[in-house]
Amino acid sequence: SQTIHQWPATLVQPVGSPLSLECTVEGTSNPNLYWYRQAAGRGLQLLFYSVGIGQISSEVPQNLSASRPQDRQFILSSKKLLLSDSGFYLCAWSVLSNTGELFFGEGSRLTVL
Amino acid sequence: GESVGLHLPTLSVQEGDNSIINCAYSNSASDYFIWYKQESGKGPQFIIDIRSNMDKRQGQRVTVLLNKTVKHLSLQIAATQPGDSAVYFCAESTGANSKLTFGKGITLSVRP
Repeated sequence: SQTIHQWPATLVQPVGSPLSLECTVEGTSNPNLYWYRQAAGRGLQLLFYSVGIGQISSEVPQNLSASRPQDRQFILSSKKLLLSDSGFYLCAWSVLSNTGELFFGEGSRLTVL
Repeated sequence: GESVGLHLPTLSVQEGDNSIINCAYSNSASDYFIWYKQESGKGPQFIIDIRSNMDKRQGQRVTVLLNKTVKHLSLQIAATQPGDSAVYFCAESTGANSKLTFGKGITLSVRP
């Protein structure tokens, strides 16, 4: 069966510090991978998606970047965090040739102080 | 659907009552729809989905209704329980290899 893991689950970082959130998927090959952000009490905002290794599409301009160094690994990064980067970050995957149903990880809560 | 910039609306229901959560979509080309449930501090979980060639689909205690004429999707939860308290998102896609577009999300609060 397929599983998705993201870590860390919780992170408190000072403004200006770097960020690295990692996500890995097991049990499937060549998945589409996604990073979403959810601010407190708000909806889901798609940040990045990837259809293959090294292929990243950015949905909104921001202080963040994403990388996909391996087929089932997706990394969300920042060189210098802003207060507005605080939120709940969700990694998700979907299967190619499917309807687009997403399978989400458990999320990473980032607080920037 | 627009999913950022607005606080989530809240639906409050009495335990044991039926809940109806509504969602409007704008893309007439959408042919796949899905409901997610997100409990506090967790990732969204699949509830039920429906394709555009259907207007109703039932699961365990949940029913999804699709009205393509008015681009409206609803989720009905029978005999709502405290464990149903969560944020519910509808999402749509135009089929294979397309990205899901999420709705705003609605908070369901169940009163004991």
